[in-house]
Amino acid sequence: DVKVTQSSRYLVKRTGEKVFLECVQDMDHENMFWYRQDPGLGLRLIYFSYDVKMKEKGDIPEGYSVSREKKERFSLILESASTNQTSMYLCASSLRQVVLYGYTFGSGTRLTVV
Amino acid sequence: DQQVKQNSPSLSVQEGRISILNCDYTNSMFDYFLWYKKYPAEGPTFLISISSIKDKNEDGRFTVFLNKSAKHLSLHIVPSQPGDSAVYFCAASFTGNQFYFGTGTSLTVIP
Repeated sequence: DVKVTQSSRYLVKRTGEKVFLECVQDMDHENMFWYRQDPGLGLRLIYFSYDVKMKEKGDIPEGYSVSREKKERFSLILESASTNQTSMYLCASSLRQVVLYGYTFGSGTRLTVV
Repeated sequence: DQQVKQNSPSLSVQEGRISILNCDYTNSMFDYFLWYKKYPAEGPTFLISISSIKDKNEDGRFTVFLNKSAKHLSLHIVPSQPGDSAVYFCAASFTGNQFYFGTGTSLTVIP
């Protein structure tokens, strides 16, 4: 079974801090994604990556950056955390062609910015 | 603007009856559709999918129906079981790689 592991389940950070969310997958998947889940808004794509050192903006990239130095690891960076970035963050991975097989998601990181 | 909509935030069904979860989309270019199930404190898990060349796909108790002319997708669960209680997300894509998700429907199956 593919595993997607997110480093923290719960995180509390202060406004203005630089925050790193880490995600590791163990099945050699080419694609990796970062979503945030908010009540009434569903899952919204922040950034994704199709290969090492490649990144593409999703629908809501403002205030975030990403890093993919190794195939198995995809990091989400909040450059200067703000309270409106309090959310559930979900990492996902997939084979190059997702079609009909979907993503494998991690368990999520609930981030609270105070 | 939300391209994939799930207009019912919640649904309650008696055990053994049919659960019908609905999803509407606005982009006629979408040609792959997935349903995910999410339990609290867990990531979503893939449930069932359909491509636009089909109008129905079955997997055990789960059936997905696609009506392209109405831009409407539905998930039928028969019979519903208490373990099916979860949040269900539909997702759509026109590239096969990046999916757009709905807002989710919370299903409660009453024993």
